[in-house]
Amino acid sequence: SAVISQKPSRDICQRGTSLTIQCQVDSQVTMMFWYRQQPGQSLTLIATANQGSEATYESGFVIDKFPISRPNLTFSTLTVSNMSPEDSSIYLCSVVNSNTEAFFGQGTRLTVV
Amino acid sequence: KQEVTQIPAALSVPEGENLVLNCSFTDSAIYNLQWFRQDPGKGLTSLLLIQSSQREQTSGRLNASLDKSSGRSTLYIAASQPGDSATYLCAVRYSGYALNFGKGTSLLVTP
Repeated sequence: SAVISQKPSRDICQRGTSLTIQCQVDSQVTMMFWYRQQPGQSLTLIATANQGSEATYESGFVIDKFPISRPNLTFSTLTVSNMSPEDSSIYLCSVVNSNTEAFFGQGTRLTVV
Repeated sequence: KQEVTQIPAALSVPEGENLVLNCSFTDSAIYNLQWFRQDPGKGLTSLLLIQSSQREQTSGRLNASLDKSSGRSTLYIAASQPGDSATYLCAVRYSGYALNFGKGTSLLVTP
């Protein structure tokens, strides 16, 4: 299994500001995934972060709103830009092992006021 | 659309009871299915992974089954304990790496 550390674990932010979430994995991985869990909803994939190339975004998510960095094989960041109360969610980082088993970080609980 | 549904949405049982959580999916062409546990305000803990060629997987008091033809999976928890109280999520992988999640079953085991 992979050990994934996310920072911050929670934050309360003012609308219009941006928050950058960090994800660190204890082993090198080709792909890292960012999910969003809105209150009362299921998890939804935001984007796949590949080292050395642009992130791949799912339908409904755009780079201007959720810019992603992937500087090396163990680290990624997700920024939530120009936040509104609708962005209040839990954001989770995930990796997949060679058996395609997914592992998740502890999540970042974001509240936008 | 590839939808994943979990029933019931919430469940309360007394300690010691055996219980079954259900997951159904609309597209049977899955690659694998994974069950997770989520504690309040926390991330997801992987419980069991079932590949499309498998019928069941077991880990301790947990047993997960998969019936692709009917689009169903069940998670069986034996001899439930208060520490089992959490939300249980079912996630289906098709082609690619994205997981399609259900909304979860919130389980409360009372002493």
